[in-house]
Amino acid sequence: GENVEQHPSTLSVQEGDSAVIKCTYSDSASNYFPWYKQELGKRPQLIIDIRSNVGEKKDQRIAVTLNKTAKHFSLHITETQPEDSAVYFCAPGGNEKLTFGTGTRLTIIP
Amino acid sequence: SAVISQKPSRDICQRGTSLTIQCQVDSQVTMMFWYRQQPGQSLTLIATANQGSEATYESGFVIDKFPISRPNLTFSTLTVSNMSPEDSSIYLCSVTGPTYEQYFGPGTRLTVT
Repeated sequence: GENVEQHPSTLSVQEGDSAVIKCTYSDSASNYFPWYKQELGKRPQLIIDIRSNVGEKKDQRIAVTLNKTAKHFSLHITETQPEDSAVYFCAPGGNEKLTFGTGTRLTIIP
Repeated sequence: SAVISQKPSRDICQRGTSLTIQCQVDSQVTMMFWYRQQPGQSLTLIATANQGSEATYESGFVIDKFPISRPNLTFSTLTVSNMSPEDSSIYLCSVTGPTYEQYFGPGTRLTVT
């Protein structure tokens, strides 16, 4: 099965700075690469995704970059705000199934 | 995206009993999944709920413990059978969107005493 690792496990950044979370995976058949945000007590929320024929995708302050050769993809959040504080999960997949990473707890320091 | 609801939102159950969790979607969806999220942990896929046929279980999960039904394209149930305290978790259903992205229900918080 797919082995998924996320780094770092915790990340604290000053408000306004950028945050980067990296996800490595093992299954070369993975072709779909989403990131989820989970606030305390809430459901995971899809915030951005990328498919294997694309190298980068941006949506306002968030972006995802994919390196399929090296089997990793990253979440980039710029101009961080307090509401970005949450746990972020990568979940690479193929054939509709997702495998969730261990999560990164992001704390934005005001 | 689809509106997904789960019932119950939370429950406290005694060991040895069973609980059935319902997942309802407001539109027909191709695929439905059930996940478990233990306290402070990531999400683990339990099974894929197949419409009109037996669910497909992931390694470590068996039908006798987690029977799943999916009678149509908008509804599924997960039963947690013969519960023990180790089953205390949040159980989430998810559905696929038009391009196979997944959206989650609000979850069912289960505590087994």
